[in-house]
Amino acid sequence: NAGVTQTPKFQVLKTGQSMTLQCAQDMNHEYMSWYRQDPGMGLRLIHYSVGAGITDQGEVPNGYNVSRSTTEDFPLRLLSAAPSQTSVYFCASSYREIGTEAFFGQGTRLTVV
Amino acid sequence: TQLLEQSPQFLSIQEGENLTVYCNSSSVFSSLQWYRQEPGEGPVLLVTVVTGGEVKKLKRLTFQFGDARKDSSLHITAAQPGDTGLYLCAGARSNYQLIWGAGTKLIIKP
Repeated sequence: NAGVTQTPKFQVLKTGQSMTLQCAQDMNHEYMSWYRQDPGMGLRLIHYSVGAGITDQGEVPNGYNVSRSTTEDFPLRLLSAAPSQTSVYFCASSYREIGTEAFFGQGTRLTVV
Repeated sequence: TQLLEQSPQFLSIQEGENLTVYCNSSSVFSSLQWYRQEPGEGPVLLVTVVTGGEVKKLKRLTFQFGDARKDSSLHITAAQPGDTGLYLCAGARSNYQLIWGAGTKLIIKP
């Protein structure tokens, strides 16, 4: 079982560049989310989706866009990278809303120079 | 402002010792989850507690949800090197958002 697949695993960007972090799940989960993890701060929710065509903002959405055209895919776009976006990014999916098990990808370590 | 405070932030103990990790908040949560994360990997769910006062056991790990559903603890008996990792608690604030603690980094020395 593939579960949640994130690509790339590592990425270095220059300030001002844009890129898309890919996330795909094969468990037919309705709920998907993107987090960033920074030392000493835990996981912070960037954006989430409760189903295809539906997205909403989390705690730290500025500088990021998402879309959900299919149940399987939930890409995260960095519009104009800034050093403050240096972080480890995790995509997660769950069968339904909060309280059910969240399955995480392996993460993308992003460095913005 | 961290809505979920985890303590200690770091713990290094010898194999065979017991330990307790705490997760505290001033907010009430509908449920609380504990995850373990290993380097280079995403968090993996250990347990979900829902009812105030609930106690769940997973082999040598015992999880408790406070009566008021504002805090939780994780107790490990006879810790093993395989227990090493980052332990994260996460509280459900609404149907669609989890609030995460900063984590407790646990090292068990052989």
